[in-house]
Amino acid sequence: DQQVKQNSPSLSVQEGRISILNCDYTNSMFDYFLWYKKYPAEGPTFLISISSIKDKNEDGRFTVFLNKSAKHLSLHIVPSQPGDSAVYFCAVFEIQGAQKLVFGQGTRLTINP
Amino acid sequence: ETGVTQTPRHLVMGMTNKKSLKCEQHLGHNAMYWYKQSAKKPLELMFVYNFKEQTENNSVPSRFSPECPNSSHLFLHLHTLQPEDSALYLCASSLPGTGTSPLHFGNGTRLTVT
Repeated sequence: DQQVKQNSPSLSVQEGRISILNCDYTNSMFDYFLWYKKYPAEGPTFLISISSIKDKNEDGRFTVFLNKSAKHLSLHIVPSQPGDSAVYFCAVFEIQGAQKLVFGQGTRLTINP
Repeated sequence: ETGVTQTPRHLVMGMTNKKSLKCEQHLGHNAMYWYKQSAKKPLELMFVYNFKEQTENNSVPSRFSPECPNSSHLFLHLHTLQPEDSALYLCASSLPGTGTSPLHFGNGTRLTVT
């Protein structure tokens, strides 16, 4: 059973608009959440993270929101730029538990000029 | 340069071959990982090494054999693979002891088993 789900395999957004990527998880014990970005022919790179004691973390154009009651995580990119076109993976971690980073299956974001 | 270097970038092997994937990190990390990425699937953790000791084997078949001679190098030895083992194999490193330390990934080895 998949513990982390990114239900949209792809998303297309106009340049300059907001991109919203979503992620749902099943285990309420997860307490650290990360987003990774992956370009073709490259490994994933860390983008932004949030701990369960917060509901928002912002870094430049990137903001991650956490809704613990809904077990939902989202990444907002605004304004979207062509260089943001990539596959985005959410990942979750349980500090006191299995000590494993569990990834979603990814969402391919395409920014159209 | 990502700080984590994987070789080769591409590998085609037959089911009876033996080959090895290599990973090297220059970030001073002490935890190293092998992940598998198959098409349209999440990244799957295969093995974890902390300070050269294997701390995780995520039910990986014995035809995959990891080796970590020191904290900077990680190998994945392959033998008698199956076509369904074709995937992107990613190496990563991080600071140990906390999963909140972001992983630094290499660019992967694209493996095709014929």
